[in-house]
Amino acid sequence: EAQVTQNPRYLITVTGKKLTVTCSQNMNHEYMSWYRQDPGLGLRQIYYSMNVEVTDKGDVPEGYKVSRKEKRNFPLILESPSPNQTSLYFCASSLYGTPDNYGYTFGSGTRLTVV
Amino acid sequence: SQELEQSPQSLIVQEGKNLTINCTSSKTLYGLYWYKQKYGEGLIFLMMLQKGGEEKSHEKITAKLDEKKQQSSLHITASQPSHAGIYLCGANNDMRFGAGTRLTVKP
Repeated sequence: EAQVTQNPRYLITVTGKKLTVTCSQNMNHEYMSWYRQDPGLGLRQIYYSMNVEVTDKGDVPEGYKVSRKEKRNFPLILESPSPNQTSLYFCASSLYGTPDNYGYTFGSGTRLTVV
Repeated sequence: SQELEQSPQSLIVQEGKNLTINCTSSKTLYGLYWYKQKYGEGLIFLMMLQKGGEEKSHEKITAKLDEKKQQSSLHITASQPSHAGIYLCGANNDMRFGAGTRLTVKP
């Protein structure tokens, strides 16, 4: 089944403890992206990647890192999480940078709580 | 950057009623996506509109892009509890999203 898989689905952590949220897609998509979703603010893009070894900042990159060493994986790294990074995170992918008629494929989300 | 405004922010309707959600862009859209999100879950692609005046339907959901390609409306006919969720519009230009419209359908 074609899908974007995120792990974990839920995570509670403490301030300052490094964490990684994994994202993997099995559709051979070139483009991958991370969003965070907060009440009243909608989806905001954190980072995106047009292809392997190519990453760019989105609208809210502060406090996050990403890497794209291989096409299928696009992990999101929080080196020193803070409570304001408590949010619902989504990974998305598409064949190319501009989504086609089928839009982006989204993962199921990771709900992160930083205490 | 593209700004997408959705209205209303939330909507409560009785089952069987029709409803409309709007998405307005500050710039001309190259294309617009509509997604549905069940609470706390991932986004499901509904449809994409590209041409001015284009209208598409999926089951009881119809979306239209205006001629100027700056506004889209999503219309649900005879709403059902299964339609409940958050509806988001996204711009093809830069994949920014509106803040979403939370729909509740009362049985």
